Amino acid sequence: AQSVAQPEDQVNVAEGNPLTVKCTYSVSGNPYLFWYVQYPNRGLQFLLKYITGDNLVKGSYGFEAEFNKSQTSFHLKKPSALVSDSALYFCAVRGMTTDSWGKLQFGAGTQVVVTP
Amino acid sequence: GAGVSQSPRYKVTKRGQDVALRCDPISGHVSLYWYRQALGQGPEFLTYFNYEAQQDKSGLPNDRFSAERPEGSISTLTIQRTEQRDSAMYRCASSHHPVTGQNTEAFFGQGTRLTVV
Repeated sequence: AQSVAQPEDQVNVAEGNPLTVKCTYSVSGNPYLFWYVQYPNRGLQFLLKYITGDNLVKGSYGFEAEFNKSQTSFHLKKPSALVSDSALYFCAVRGMTTDSWGKLQFGAGTQVVVTP
Repeated sequence: GAGVSQSPRYKVTKRGQDVALRCDPISGHVSLYWYRQALGQGPEFLTYFNYEAQQDKSGLPNDRFSAERPEGSISTLTIQRTEQRDSAMYRCASSHHPVTGQNTEAFFGQGTRLTVV
């Protein structure tokens, strides 16, 4: 069975400082990994994905994420956080075995609070 | 359409009534997913389709929940004999084929907020 862990319920960071949101996963075979963001009263918006290739992937709004196979992690990063980055962030994984490839499994989410 | 469309946006129903939630995916997307999301939590997988075939319904909580996608486009999630614990945000998403498609990310609709009173 596949699973995603986001160990931090909330991350607080001052505007202009680096932002990191942690994610670890468990899946059979090679993973497809995703980050989504949810603003209040809005739907989930896709940020970025890792499928294959370079371990560092770049996405929307200046976000990037680093895939680390040995640590089974896919942490989301932004070099300089903005107040407007305050939102709920979700990591998700899809496995590549026949019983997991269609199922996108989400973590519990991490609330990011960026203070001016 | 340009995005995933769900209707209604809000639904209030009395306990014991049946409800039907509709999802219109992005045109051309093969896969369609249903999720349920409680406030402040991650989306919980319910079921998904490739074309008209329901591939996995392991997340449906019980037999009061069912879903269909008869023509491989619009999907309906039906909850029979609703209970208060069914109250949640129900989200639909669609994507290209999750394995063979180049773009595997799922795009979500705004959701349907279901309240059972």
